[in-house]
Amino acid sequence: GDSVTQMEGPVTLSEEAFLTINCTYTATGYPSLFWYVQYPGEGLQLLLKATKADDKGSNKGFEATYRKETTSFHLEKGSVQVSDSAVYFCALSDPDTGRRALTFGSGTRLQVQP
Amino acid sequence: GAGVSQSPSNKVTEKGKDVELRCDPISGHTALYWYRQSLGQGLEFLIYFQGNSAPDKSGLPSDRFSAERTGGSVSTLTIQRTQQEDSAVYLCASSPAAGVTEAFFGQGTRLTVV
Repeated sequence: GDSVTQMEGPVTLSEEAFLTINCTYTATGYPSLFWYVQYPGEGLQLLLKATKADDKGSNKGFEATYRKETTSFHLEKGSVQVSDSAVYFCALSDPDTGRRALTFGSGTRLQVQP
Repeated sequence: GAGVSQSPSNKVTEKGKDVELRCDPISGHTALYWYRQSLGQGLEFLIYFQGNSAPDKSGLPSDRFSAERTGGSVSTLTIQRTQQEDSAVYLCASSPAAGVTEAFFGQGTRLTVV
């Protein structure tokens, strides 16, 4: 079945550092890919998405590019802030399998220190 | 309402008791999903509703778990004879249609079985 693998956390960075959170996937069909973020005490929010190969999703300074050849969707940000501290989840949607729900990775906790 | 609403936000119950968790999706959203998030784990899919029917129940972990949705709106997840391993955060999400491209999440119900 479909699956999503993320790098384990926590990832601890200083403010203004460069961030990469790796995400790779296994899918039967041609999935859409997502990054969700869960800030402390809040529900999951969509951060960005990409629906086809080579698409780049971006939001709030975060970017991720859908790489079909490497089955990856790595999340990057050039300069993190303390307010970016959260748990980040990579996810996919693969309607070709008949599964209508999102498949999530295990999440990566990011801690940004001032 | 403006977002997905879940109640209660916290529930402590004794082992062996039954619990009901409620989800109010965004008005007009036809698709509704339940997930479970255990400590340090990713999101585990439980069940998906399209309208009042549940075409995908494949994630329900045992027959102690059931869910229903009425009026194409409110959903209730019921856990019978709770066990300590049921302790988790139960998340509900909704989306405008099937074949999800974006799901909107509630803040979850934290269930603790003692």
